[in-house]
Amino acid sequence: AQTVTQSQPEMSVQEAETVTLSCTYDTSENNYYLFWYKQPPSRQMILVIRQEAYKQQNATENRFSVNFQKAAKSFSLKISDSQLGDTAMYFCAFMNDNNNDMRFGAGTRLTVKP
Amino acid sequence: NAGVTQTPKFQVLKTGQSMTLQCAQDMNHEYMSWYRQDPGMGLRLIHYSVGAGITDQGEVPNGYNVSRSTTEDFPLRLLSAAPSQTSVYFCASRQGGSGANVLTFGAGSRLTVL
Repeated sequence: AQTVTQSQPEMSVQEAETVTLSCTYDTSENNYYLFWYKQPPSRQMILVIRQEAYKQQNATENRFSVNFQKAAKSFSLKISDSQLGDTAMYFCAFMNDNNNDMRFGAGTRLTVKP
Repeated sequence: NAGVTQTPKFQVLKTGQSMTLQCAQDMNHEYMSWYRQDPGMGLRLIHYSVGAGITDQGEVPNGYNVSRSTTEDFPLRLLSAAPSQTSVYFCASRQGGSGANVLTFGAGSRLTVL
């Protein structure tokens, strides 16, 4: 079974600075997708960024970017110019292309300090 | 607004009681799923459906029952609630086919079993 590991239960960063959240996963598949979801105190799950495993180029969405290292099975999220509104739980998730079971990591609680 | 609607948002049950968490989506998504979120464990898949009349088990299906009689609705039933089922439950949906299609989540339902 696929597993997703987020080794940082909590992190903090000063406003306007950069922070990187780590995620590793385990799979024997070649075609899969990786996601980062944000869960603010409202509890709503919000997609931050998505990466297809067959794409070598790292995905970027405004201040959010990933470092996807397929051989190392690593998928870290970099948040640049951190804002107070980035304070949330962040979940890394993995999904094979040929099944319907999305696996989530345990989450990293990020606090952005003014 | 289009999206995934979950009801109720909060519920308190006594051990042994039954209840149904409702989930409806108006995006004509083929795939629907239920997750539970527990502290330190991320989200775990309970059951999912790839279309009306088709359901399957996820990672933690015991104690839960589902059915999919229409494309729009995917209720989750607890037949005899146990304290171990205290959790936050999320319904999510997406277009069928590729795992690249993004999950849209409902706002969550917090269930407490006494």
